[in-house]
Amino acid sequence: DAMVIQNPRYQVTQFGKPVTLSCSQTLNHNVMYWYQQKSSQAPKLLFHYYDKDFNNEADTPDNFQSRRPNTSFCFLDIRSPGLGDAAMYLCATGTGKSYEQYFGPGTRLTVT
Amino acid sequence: QKEVEQNSGPLSVPEGAIASLNCTYSDRGSQSFFWYRQYSGKSPELIMFIYSNGDKEDGRFTAQLNKASQYVSLLIRDSQPSDSATYLCAVMDSSYKLIFGSGTRLLVRP
Repeated sequence: DAMVIQNPRYQVTQFGKPVTLSCSQTLNHNVMYWYQQKSSQAPKLLFHYYDKDFNNEADTPDNFQSRRPNTSFCFLDIRSPGLGDAAMYLCATGTGKSYEQYFGPGTRLTVT
Repeated sequence: QKEVEQNSGPLSVPEGAIASLNCTYSDRGSQSFFWYRQYSGKSPELIMFIYSNGDKEDGRFTAQLNKASQYVSLLIRDSQPSDSATYLCAVMDSSYKLIFGSGTRLLVRP
């Protein structure tokens, strides 16, 4: 089945220790998104790639970076995680324009 | 500031009843509207999308859109306990980004 896969599902990291979350998709969608969702809050868009074009949200901290080496994979790098970065990180894909987005299962990040 | 507003709930309905979830949005230029269901600790799951004014039905779900009033709703007929979840309304803005509401928590009582 075509799908969006995120690894790992759960990640524990220490304060200040870099961490990388990964997302892959078999849907062949040209747009990939990264969202951060904290408890009882709406998903917050961090950035997205339209093909190879990177689009950063204005309020996304510099601590967050992303890479998309090819159509299928996208990575979220958190350079120096703080306690406030503990959240669910959601990857989504879409065909852009006005069409729907499909979410992966998410990675729950804990910062100790 | 583009906004999507939802009542946080919880909305409590008995099993078998109709659950009505509502959402308003501020960007009059929005063209696409989505409803996602999110179980606790899980990722959002797309259940309905609607692009045109009026009603769109899919099984027990009906999405309703009124662009003049900037209002979108989701009706769930014959509600089941398994429908208990948070329902996120999302609106695609003119930059093709989804703006999410903070969700309405639905509880279906057996």
